[in-house]
Amino acid sequence: EPEVTQTPSHQVTQMGQEVILRCVPISNHLYFYWYRQILGQKVEFLVSFYNNEISEKSEIFDDQFSVERPDGSNFTLKIRSTKLEDSAMYFCASTRRGQTNTEAFFGQGTRLTVV
Amino acid sequence: AQSVAQPEDQVNVAEGNPLTVKCTYSVSGNPYLFWYVQYPNRGLQFLLKYITGDNLVKGSYGFEAEFNKSQTSFHLKKPSALVSDSALYFCAVRDGGGATNKLIFGTGTLLAVQP
Repeated sequence: EPEVTQTPSHQVTQMGQEVILRCVPISNHLYFYWYRQILGQKVEFLVSFYNNEISEKSEIFDDQFSVERPDGSNFTLKIRSTKLEDSAMYFCASTRRGQTNTEAFFGQGTRLTVV
Repeated sequence: AQSVAQPEDQVNVAEGNPLTVKCTYSVSGNPYLFWYVQYPNRGLQFLLKYITGDNLVKGSYGFEAEFNKSQTSFHLKKPSALVSDSALYFCAVRDGGGATNKLIFGTGTLLAVQP
């Protein structure tokens, strides 16, 4: 069964450093998403990406965040200058279509710890 | 704004007993509702969805969910729980008002099935 894969599974970084979280969505999917879950809180939408551009972003997704699909297979989330409050589990997801009845497929997540 | 609520942080049930994990929703327009499960060190796995049609939706691993419009609920159920069902369960609603139909999640319910 095809799946979304994320690397690394766990990333520890010092405050102020840049991190790149990587995702390989399912190959025939067209819509890509990043979500995050701060420990003990809700899973929150960060950003969606379609046709090589951001199609929607949340208030959380400020200038320190960026996404990219550099080579047609990887989908990355970059956090430019990490803060303690960026510590969370980050999930990548993809869907075949953008319609409301389409389920999203999620990766196993990257746990980011900022120290 | 679309939202879902999971009123129980944890549900405990004995193996072989029926289980229910509760979810209520608040949407404007038609609700598109989903259940996901997260096993330890795994990503979010799709279980089932309600788009339209029958109020009882069947999904993976023997789970089903009942859509109740008058009570604005979408409770997850299983007739006979297994120890292996122990995991974190998330209810979600698709936000059709945005550009890309992002998911809005509940806070999650930890299901613990005792042998």
